[in-house]
Amino acid sequence: DVKVTQSSRYLVKRTGEKVFLECVQDMDHENMFWYRQDPGLGLRLIYFSYDVKMKEKGDIPEGYSVSREKKERFSLILESASTNQTSMYLCASSIPTGLGGYTFGSGTRLTVV
Amino acid sequence: GENVEQHPSTLSVQEGDSAVIKCTYSDSASNYFPWYKQELGKGPQLIIDIRSNVGEKKDQRIAVTLNKTAKHFSLHITETQPEDSAVYFCAPEGSNYQLIWGAGTKLIIKP
Repeated sequence: DVKVTQSSRYLVKRTGEKVFLECVQDMDHENMFWYRQDPGLGLRLIYFSYDVKMKEKGDIPEGYSVSREKKERFSLILESASTNQTSMYLCASSIPTGLGGYTFGSGTRLTVV
Repeated sequence: GENVEQHPSTLSVQEGDSAVIKCTYSDSASNYFPWYKQELGKGPQLIIDIRSNVGEKKDQRIAVTLNKTAKHFSLHITETQPEDSAVYFCAPEGSNYQLIWGAGTKLIIKP
């Protein structure tokens, strides 16, 4: 069964900490995405990548960075966690642009205290 | 910018009845129209999609219809069952090939 795996389901971090969220896919997909999901705001795109070592800003990149050193792994980094980054974070992957069909991980619920 | 609106935001139907969720979009260049289902504690999952050269697509109890002229597409679920309870998202593909997400519709199936 093809999968997108996010390393943690629940995470609690302190304000100011550097936080790493890991995502791994086993489908050899070129495209990978990081979203955050908040009640009433739907899914908002943080960063995406169409290839190894490539990254593009999404709609809300402030306070985040990403790393894609290998095709199967896409990491989201919160440089200095803040309480307004408390959210559900979703990773997704897909085949090349224009052909649709994202596969999502189960999400990481991050709480920053 | 590109705009996607989904209606209703909440839909409550009796088990066995049909449910319809509508999605309107603004980008006339969109050519791919998927629907996702998100169950509690899980990520969204693609349940059906349609491309602009087709007007309707059916998969068992689920169907999607597309009206490109009016720029809307709809999700139809017939003979609803308790396991259909979830949040449903439309996400038409924008001109930059990224999905533009609707705000979601919470579907409640009453026993």
